[in-house]
Amino acid sequence: NAGVTQTPKFRVLKTGQSMTLLCAQDMNHEYMYWYRQDPGMGLRLIHYSVGEGTTAKGEVPDGYNVSRLKKQNFLLGLESAAPSQTSVYFCASSYTSTTGEKLFFGSGTQLSVL
Amino acid sequence: GNSVTQMEGPVTLSEEAFLTINCTYTATGYPSLFWYVQYPGEGLQLLLKATKADDKGSNKGFEATYRKETTSFHLEKGSVQVSDSAVYFCALSGNTGNQFYFGTGTSLTVIP
Repeated sequence: NAGVTQTPKFRVLKTGQSMTLLCAQDMNHEYMYWYRQDPGMGLRLIHYSVGEGTTAKGEVPDGYNVSRLKKQNFLLGLESAAPSQTSVYFCASSYTSTTGEKLFFGSGTQLSVL
Repeated sequence: GNSVTQMEGPVTLSEEAFLTINCTYTATGYPSLFWYVQYPGEGLQLLLKATKADDKGSNKGFEATYRKETTSFHLEKGSVQVSDSAVYFCALSGNTGNQFYFGTGTSLTVIP
């Protein structure tokens, strides 16, 4: 069972470069999320989507864009990378928005911006 | 607003020791509470959850009780194993379940 798959797993960028992180889920989940994980900060929500064609801002959206053109995919883009975006990025999905519904996480993308 | 505060780590215990990781929360309404675990090199996975006051979540020997009066959801295990070494995150989801709030994580190392 694939679950939530993130690509790439590692990436090094120079300041100002752009890149896209891909998240794919095969569980037919409506809801998808992008988080970043930083030491001492826990997980912080960047953007999320409540269904195909929809996106919404989370806690720390600046410098990122997202798209959900297909239900199974949720893309996170960095148009002009900055060193402050060095982090581990996690994609997650859930079936519903009912309180108590658990999140399924991908294994993460470690991004370094030099 | 909603937030989660959990005890600072890292925590180092000997095998078979008793574990407590404290978690308190601030929330409007009636949130659901979770503990997630992250093993090295992996994403987070659900360890246990509780959806209403006085509920006890349990899994793999871990337990946590939803205490509304103290706004707490402390994680406990009676006898830890080396394989429990991981980072543990307390989290809550609000009335609209697509908003999750995570604590900063507590790193646990269990030594033989």
